[in-house]
Amino acid sequence: NAGVTQTPKFQVLKTGQSMTLQCAQDMNHEYMSWYRQDPGMGLRLIHYSVGAGITDQGEVPNGYNVSRSTTEDFPLRLLSAAPSQTSVYFCASSYLDFNSPLHFGNGTRLTVT
Amino acid sequence: EDKVVQSPLSLVVHEGDTVTLNCSYEVTNFRSLLWYKQEKKAPTFLFMLTSSGIEKKSGRLSSILDKKELSSILNITATQTGDSAIYLCAAPRKGQGNLIFGKGTKLSVKP
Repeated sequence: NAGVTQTPKFQVLKTGQSMTLQCAQDMNHEYMSWYRQDPGMGLRLIHYSVGAGITDQGEVPNGYNVSRSTTEDFPLRLLSAAPSQTSVYFCASSYLDFNSPLHFGNGTRLTVT
Repeated sequence: EDKVVQSPLSLVVHEGDTVTLNCSYEVTNFRSLLWYKQEKKAPTFLFMLTSSGIEKKSGRLSSILDKKELSSILNITATQTGDSAIYLCAAPRKGQGNLIFGKGTKLSVKP
């Protein structure tokens, strides 16, 4: 039972480069989301999805795109990386139910130079 | 604006001590409050507290929700070095899974 799988674990980008952070879950969860975690800022929601074909913005969406073509996958795209996007990124999923807590992936540590 | 505030931001104790971590919230249409533990990697779920379940306990950890005071506490008794972690408090906003998190309390337990 893999749960939520994120790749890569680490990534270094130069300013202006683009890349995609991958997230996949095998629990048939409708809800998936991306958070970033910065020192002193806690976890902040970037984008989320309540099902295939449906996405919405969170607190800090600028500079990121998402799509949800399948229930299992929810990739996060950085369009033109900036040093301010240096962070640890977590993907999380849950059943679309107020009694279901989030399950997190192990995170991707991204550094933009 | 919805918000979740945790205190203290960091705490250092010795093994065997009892600690209390605090979380206050202001969330429109409050439904539940969640506690997570984060060690080196992903946050892991500890407790969910709702109107119908305002106290939860698991081993040395327990949590209480005070809906009147819009707050929750997480208690850890007889702390161990393995309890060292960041403890996160969160509440759903605008639908399930859209959690707003506090900044966390970093707990360090010294031998």
